[in-house]
Amino acid sequence: EIVLTQSPGTLSLSPGERATLSCRASQSVSSSYLAWYQQKPGQAPRLLIYGASSRATGIPDRFSGSGSGTDFTLTISRLEPEDFAVYYCQQYGSSPVFTFGPGTKVDIK
Amino acid sequence: QLQLQESGPGLVKPSETLSLTCTVSGGSISSSSYYWGWIRQPPGKGLEWIGSIYYSGSTYYNPSLKSRVTISVDTSKNQFSLKLSSVTAADTAVYYCARQTMITFGGVIVLGWFDPWGQGTLVTVSS
Repeated sequence: EIVLTQSPGTLSLSPGERATLSCRASQSVSSSYLAWYQQKPGQAPRLLIYGASSRATGIPDRFSGSGSGTDFTLTISRLEPEDFAVYYCQQYGSSPVFTFGPGTKVDIK
Repeated sequence: QLQLQESGPGLVKPSETLSLTCTVSGGSISSSSYYWGWIRQPPGKGLEWIGSIYYSGSTYYNPSLKSRVTISVDTSKNQFSLKLSSVTAADTAVYYCARQTMITFGGVIVLGWFDPWGQGTLVTVSS
């Protein structure tokens, strides 16, 4: 099973700042099969990024994903008030077994 | 616009079976491009994939839960269902259903990301 580790656990930033979130896999994720989700309190997760770098439909271009192998990054170029949330990565490279990272909380500084 | 909605009891007794149904609207569960999955989230914790099913009935389960999980599909009702047996307090969680995209790469079919998700339903295991 591929174990995902996310860092930092919490990121405290101000609106307008840049957020850089890390997702590291215990072994190489084949074909960059990694997705990112955003979850706000009391809501279901929302898909942001798939294939490590492809934005999902309707996702603003301030969200970008990068990386390959074992190291992946989600970048939010300029934080908007609605971006403060928890972010999860998910790998599907070891399909049909799927794992999620523990999450990174982005909160207001 | 595709929507998914979970339904079922919010309280289950220990050792009993948890049963939930996900109703899909705005699209067909019989699409050849998607699997349909269950994911859960204990209060204040992260996400855990439970299992996924194709409209034909083909299933994949999380190895850690496989002995207790059954996922089934009813294409006539556009629904798929989850049964989790012998529940304990550790099974208390918000249970989500979601559509899972299939990817074909080099002739190999890979199950991918989850989108969209249902709103989730809290199931508490308690006597």
